[in-house]
Amino acid sequence: DGGITQSPKYLFRKEGQNVTLSCEQNLNHDAMYWYRQDPGQGLRLIYYSQIVNDFQKGDIAEGYSVSREKKESFPLTVTSAQKNPTAFYLCASSMGQGGANYGYTFGSGTRLTVV
Amino acid sequence: GNSVTQMEGPVTLSEEAFLTINCTYTATGYPSLFWYVQYPGEGLQLLLKATKADDKGSNKGFEATYRKETTSFHLEKGSVQVSDSAVYFCALRGTGNQFYFGTGTSLTVIP
Repeated sequence: DGGITQSPKYLFRKEGQNVTLSCEQNLNHDAMYWYRQDPGQGLRLIYYSQIVNDFQKGDIAEGYSVSREKKESFPLTVTSAQKNPTAFYLCASSMGQGGANYGYTFGSGTRLTVV
Repeated sequence: GNSVTQMEGPVTLSEEAFLTINCTYTATGYPSLFWYVQYPGEGLQLLLKATKADDKGSNKGFEATYRKETTSFHLEKGSVQVSDSAVYFCALRGTGNQFYFGTGTSLTVIP
């Protein structure tokens, strides 16, 4: 079955360390997204990519970096510059411009905790 | 610009009660509208959608009608169950690929 896989489910990081969250999809979707969710809050867009080798900053990109070298993969690196990285991170994918009637498909999330 | 305003929570209901979660939107053009559900510790799952005015999306007993005249997409269910306890997000997708989400409404159903 097609889907979107995030790993790991739980991640612990020491202050000052970079950490990379994995997101892989086998849906042949063009676009991929990273969101951050804090307790009791909505989703905030970090980065998105509509095509391989291209990505754009979302609303809260500072302290994060991404790459899109393959259509299937969109890893997110949380750098030491991110002041408050403890959160639940969600990856999503969607069809491209022709898929306006289709929703996002979400991964199951990665909970990152800074210790 | 595009935005979604969603009913503040949390909402607590008894089993078999009627549920309404309000959602209104602002958009340029004619967006598609969605409701997502998030169970504790999980990602979001698509619950239902509507792609044009007067469309009704439905799934698992939940319904929402795309009302262009009131720019609304309220979620309803006639009889909630304990298993419906989750956070519900209203969202729109405009002419681009980006989604705009509401802040989410937490629903707790008690036996």
